[in-house]
Amino acid sequence: KAGVTQTPRYLIKTRGQQVTLSCSPISGHRSVSWYQQTPGQGLQFLFEYFSETQRNKGNFPGRFSGRQFSNSRSEMNVSTLELGDSALYLCASSGRVVDTQYFGPGTRLTVL
Amino acid sequence: AQKITQTQPGMFVQEKEAVTLDCTYDTSDQSYGLFWYKQPSSGEMIFLIYQGSYDEQNATEGRYSLNFQKARKSANLVISASQLGDSAMYFCAMREPPGGYIFGTGTRLKVLA
Repeated sequence: KAGVTQTPRYLIKTRGQQVTLSCSPISGHRSVSWYQQTPGQGLQFLFEYFSETQRNKGNFPGRFSGRQFSNSRSEMNVSTLELGDSALYLCASSGRVVDTQYFGPGTRLTVL
Repeated sequence: AQKITQTQPGMFVQEKEAVTLDCTYDTSDQSYGLFWYKQPSSGEMIFLIYQGSYDEQNATEGRYSLNFQKARKSANLVISASQLGDSAMYFCAMREPPGGYIFGTGTRLKVLA
């Protein structure tokens, strides 16, 4: 079974731009979560989607948003990029919300 | 509030020896899950082992075992017979439904030949 895939793997943007990251979960998984990893703040939960509905949201500003499609694929969007948004963005999927999460390779975003 | 504490920023272990990575957690809920993940330099988080709060037996997965002491709120990862490929960051995480994972700050393990 194919794992979680994330595209693109690397991205360079400038301040003020917006970016969209994509995540395809493991086949059959309906829950997708997003995390931000930075050297200073570590791994932080962004949000979780299940069956196209946002179930939970972490403590991030409204510039961070996401959505999930009927095929369980998910996108997250960051608008008005700031230097501090430079991070590794990890997507994880699980069969149910309470199940073990399996992570993708991440998208490394650099904001200049 | 939930919290995961990993007090060992870095550890060294000799190849073929066992190593214990510490993790303590804080939660007021009775139902929760504890996880360990490995993150090599490539960045991908690799699931290692899971322990449910109601599981009476310590979880084991191959060379990995979880030393779960509920009263002490600790969930230490034991890696037996360390291999060079075990060198990586290791994260302890907790899930307290509903919500995403809470991660510790990680332990960087270096296996020496």
